[in-house]
Amino acid sequence: NAGVTQTPKFQVLKTGQSMTLQCAQDMNHNSMYWYRQDPGMGLRLIYYSASEGTTDKGEVPNGYNVSRLNKREFSLRLESAAPSQTSVYFCASSRQRSETQYFGPGTRLLVL
Amino acid sequence: KQEVTQIPAALSVPEGENLVLNCSFTDSAIYNLQWFRQDPGKGLTSLLLIQSSQREQTSGRLNASLDKSSGRSTLYIAASQPGDSATYLCAVQTPSGYALNFGKGTSLLVTP
Repeated sequence: NAGVTQTPKFQVLKTGQSMTLQCAQDMNHNSMYWYRQDPGMGLRLIYYSASEGTTDKGEVPNGYNVSRLNKREFSLRLESAAPSQTSVYFCASSRQRSETQYFGPGTRLLVL
Repeated sequence: KQEVTQIPAALSVPEGENLVLNCSFTDSAIYNLQWFRQDPGKGLTSLLLIQSSQREQTSGRLNASLDKSSGRSTLYIAASQPGDSATYLCAVQTPSGYALNFGKGTSLLVTP
């Protein structure tokens, strides 16, 4: 039981490049989330998926797209990376909205 | 928007001390409150979740309380150990959404 896994662990991009962050959970959870963590700003929600087949915007969705590929997997795509997207990205999942959110180890992204 | 504040931002205590971390939130209409631990360069580990109808939750040496009317929660750590050194994050979920609204954390150092 690996919990929430994220790939890659670290990535360096140049401005304008694109990439997809991958997230998978093996806990049969319904809801999945993408957060970013920045110094002095705390964690902020980018997008979430309440259940398979649905996605919704969070607090800071601009510049990102998501795909809930199946119940296990939830990916985050940066179409044209900007230096302001330099951050640590965390994926999380929960069985239901009101229950504990479990976080992955994070992806550290540096955009030059 | 729900604002979550954690005081103090940093705390250093000698091993064996009991300590209290504080969390306050601006809107008392919450769904639940979660306490997390984050080690440097790592993801978040859920410690305790308190539903809005509950007053406290306990896990081992940890006890979290919730007072919705005053907009406050405390995390009590008994008999602190060097292994408790980490950043502790408080997060509130509001009834209107899926997002967790995070405080900026309290950085705890327990010295031997």
